[in-house]
Amino acid sequence: DTEVTQTPKHLVMGMTNKKSLKCEQHMGHRAMYWYKQKAKKPPELMFVYSYEKLSINESVPSRFSPECPNSSLLNLHLHALQPEDSALYLCASSQSGTGVNSPLHFGNGTRLTVT
Amino acid sequence: EDQVTQSPEALRLQEGESSSLNCSYTVSGLRGLFWYRQDPGKGPEFLFTLYSAGEEKEKERLKATLTKKESFLHITAPKPEDSATYLCAVQGVSNDYKLSFGAGTTVTVRA
Repeated sequence: DTEVTQTPKHLVMGMTNKKSLKCEQHMGHRAMYWYKQKAKKPPELMFVYSYEKLSINESVPSRFSPECPNSSLLNLHLHALQPEDSALYLCASSQSGTGVNSPLHFGNGTRLTVT
Repeated sequence: EDQVTQSPEALRLQEGESSSLNCSYTVSGLRGLFWYRQDPGKGPEFLFTLYSAGEEKEKERLKATLTKKESFLHITAPKPEDSATYLCAVQGVSNDYKLSFGAGTTVTVRA
């Protein structure tokens, strides 16, 4: 079991649906991340929150909308997705709020399928 | 731009047959090199951080080493439960949060 919890584990949604992915950590980490991983590829960074503020947006389309309600929670709101957005969405956290020299701790991801 | 190349792409081992995975990197200034293990359908699991050339870290049957251009992950007397994809990532001085990942090495250990 990991210390970063993601829900749901699996999600199937149509292109007109709105859904949200949730992530929670109770390690007191100050930075939280969203990554996208396609099959047999490494994770790709999407967003970083540091001290609950958005620090990095890797030019992600606006159909993905992140939210950090507090230091332990991270959400990813999904709307009008495309089939090519189907992937494993990983949440991670790091102890350092500056993201320097601090290993990432990943959750087990949400497997998203867009139909 | 920081770059990471891992080799081989896939490695099939017999139980007990030791081997090494390679991670070559180019980075403007290395802040840290990270090794992760990923099982199918799960998130990467953190293994090691290495910061400077000459550094070594060990955990059970795994040992990671670092030079100025590459890192090795040595697997000693592997067991079937060591089967996984091993990912290497670097953080350069120009990136506060972003890691550059290699494509990974998929290790299969047969009993």
